[in-house]
Amino acid sequence: EAGVTQSPTHLIKTRGQQATLRCSPISGHTSVYWYQQALGLGLQFLLWYDEGEERNRGNFPPRFSGRQFPNYSSELNVNALELEDSALYLCASTRRIGGSYNSPLHFGNGTRLTVT
Amino acid sequence: AQKVTQAQTEISVVEKEDVTLDCVYETRDTTYYLFWYKQPPSGELVFLIRRNSFDEQNEISGRYSWNFQKSTSSFNFTITASQVVDSAVYFCALRGQTGANNLFFGTGTRLTVIP
Repeated sequence: EAGVTQSPTHLIKTRGQQATLRCSPISGHTSVYWYQQALGLGLQFLLWYDEGEERNRGNFPPRFSGRQFPNYSSELNVNALELEDSALYLCASTRRIGGSYNSPLHFGNGTRLTVT
Repeated sequence: AQKVTQAQTEISVVEKEDVTLDCVYETRDTTYYLFWYKQPPSGELVFLIRRNSFDEQNEISGRYSWNFQKSTSSFNFTITASQVVDSAVYFCALRGQTGANNLFFGTGTRLTVIP
């Protein structure tokens, strides 16, 4: 079974530009999570999508947004890029089992965003 | 509020030594789940184990073992006879029944196994 795939692998942008990151979940998984991993800060929760809807978002400004498509793939958009947005962005997917989301998250390899 | 603390930022051991990675969590939920993930230099997070709050049995999987103690809110991870391939950042994570199913991660422990 194919794992979670993310594209691009690397992305270089300048301040003020917009970045779009993409994620394809494991087949059969309906939930997609986005995390930011900045140097020395661990993984910070960004967004959670399930069945096409945004279910929850972390403590990030509105210029971080995204969506989930009918095929459950997802996009993360970051507008008005700032230098501190440079980080590894990880996407993870999981599926609901019996109404519970407690199955493990499966992560992709990430997109490394560099803002100059 | 959910919180995970991994006090050890970096650990170095010589190959074949045993090493324990500490994880302390905070939650007000009575039902919760704890996870360990490994992040090798390649970047992807690899799921290692999930434990629910009702199951305090310790678990052993090969050279890996986990000690879950609700009394001390800890979920420690031990690698026996460490190998160079164990070098990675290890994350402990918590998911409660509240908090909309977010997975809260600790800041990770970087383990370096020296040959």
